[in-house]
Amino acid sequence: GDSVTQMEGPVTLSEEAFLTINCTYTATGYPSLFWYVQYPGEGLQLLLKATKADDKGSNKGFEATYRKETTSFHLEKGSVQVSDSAVYFCALSGYGGATNKLIFGTGTLLAVQP
Amino acid sequence: ETGVTQSPTHLIKTRGQQVTLRCSSQSGHNTVSWYQQALGQGPQFIFQYYREEENGRGNFPPRFSGLQFPNYSSELNVNALELDDSALYLCASSSLADRGRRDYGYTFGSGTRLTVV
Repeated sequence: GDSVTQMEGPVTLSEEAFLTINCTYTATGYPSLFWYVQYPGEGLQLLLKATKADDKGSNKGFEATYRKETTSFHLEKGSVQVSDSAVYFCALSGYGGATNKLIFGTGTLLAVQP
Repeated sequence: ETGVTQSPTHLIKTRGQQVTLRCSSQSGHNTVSWYQQALGQGPQFIFQYYREEENGRGNFPPRFSGLQFPNYSSELNVNALELDDSALYLCASSSLADRGRRDYGYTFGSGTRLTVV
């Protein structure tokens, strides 16, 4: 079945460092891909998304490009801030299915130190 | 527009008891999905409701059941609680009319933290 694999955390960075969180997926067809962020004690917030190959999703300085050839959707940010500390989830959703349910990775904890 | 609201925010139950969690969907959304997020894990799909009927189900036993009401709000019921049911339960609303769109998306609530002792 469809699945998402994320790099394990925690990822600890100093402020202004470059961030990469790897995400690869397995899916039939052409899924849509998402990154969600979860701050401590809160629910999920959509960070960015991409719906077809070579699309780049971006938001708040974060970017991810839908790479069909490598089945990847890696999250990047050029300069992280302390406020970016959170758990990041990569997810996919099948296109046109009955439920369009989201399938999540296990999450990557990012800790940014001042 | 209002977002997704879940209640209660925290709940402690005893093994074997039953629990009901509630969710009010975002304005304009007619579909509600429920997810279970165990500590340190990604959310797992429980089921989805559309037009008051179950519209897809994940790998959860029948003691997990739900309801959707005419105003699109929803309940998640769990019977015979087990210790492993301790988790954050997330509700997500969406519009099934957008299902054919590739940017079909969900709005999540803040969740209900259920602890079973």
